Amino acid sequence: DQQVKQNSPSLSVQEGRISILNCDYTNSMFDYFLWYKKYPAEGPTFLISISSIKDKNEDGRFTVFLNKSAKHLSLHIVPSQPGDSAVYFCAASPSGTYKYIFGTGTRLKVLA
Amino acid sequence: GAVVSQHPSRVICKSGTSVKIECRSLDFQATTMFWYRQFPKQSLMLMATSNEGSKATYEQGVEKDKFLINHASLTLSTLTVTSAHPEDSSFYICSARRPATGVNTEAFFGQGTRLTVV
Repeated sequence: DQQVKQNSPSLSVQEGRISILNCDYTNSMFDYFLWYKKYPAEGPTFLISISSIKDKNEDGRFTVFLNKSAKHLSLHIVPSQPGDSAVYFCAASPSGTYKYIFGTGTRLKVLA
Repeated sequence: GAVVSQHPSRVICKSGTSVKIECRSLDFQATTMFWYRQFPKQSLMLMATSNEGSKATYEQGVEKDKFLINHASLTLSTLTVTSAHPEDSSFYICSARRPATGVNTEAFFGQGTRLTVV
């Protein structure tokens, strides 16, 4: 049972355009959400997070949107850069725990 | 720079042998560390929570006698894959949080260890 889903395994975007990565979840007990970036054979690197009391969090080129009623979050990267090419994982944490449940990842390719 | 370091980054071992993977928090003390496993093109799956000075907590379906976890100090957790078999070949990653930061904070991940059992 995949509680965190990233339905797009891959995404290609032109440099300078906006990249939108989506994530859906099923467990209403999740109250903290994160996005990580991962290169092959490396550990994930934290990008941005959002608590369930908010619906938007912004950090530079990265913005995360949370729609609790739809159990959906998205990561917007604008403008996209070739160095953003990587696999992006969303993760969700059940309330009061330190655990993360990861999605299956979306491979982003930013074309120069 | 990296705040969580994992060693080795890559290991190849023979079937039936045991392999130890180390995870260190470099600039903070971590009472809790986490071990994940990732199969190719799949998600990171939480295997166990490593607790300093006490037994690890394993997720459902993870064999605790197969994956031994020791968290003997506040900066080091080890995962030992015992009697490794080819199906144990995977990418193992550890993570830790800075202490006293609450549940809604990000975790830092190690570089990962690629285990290949031949």
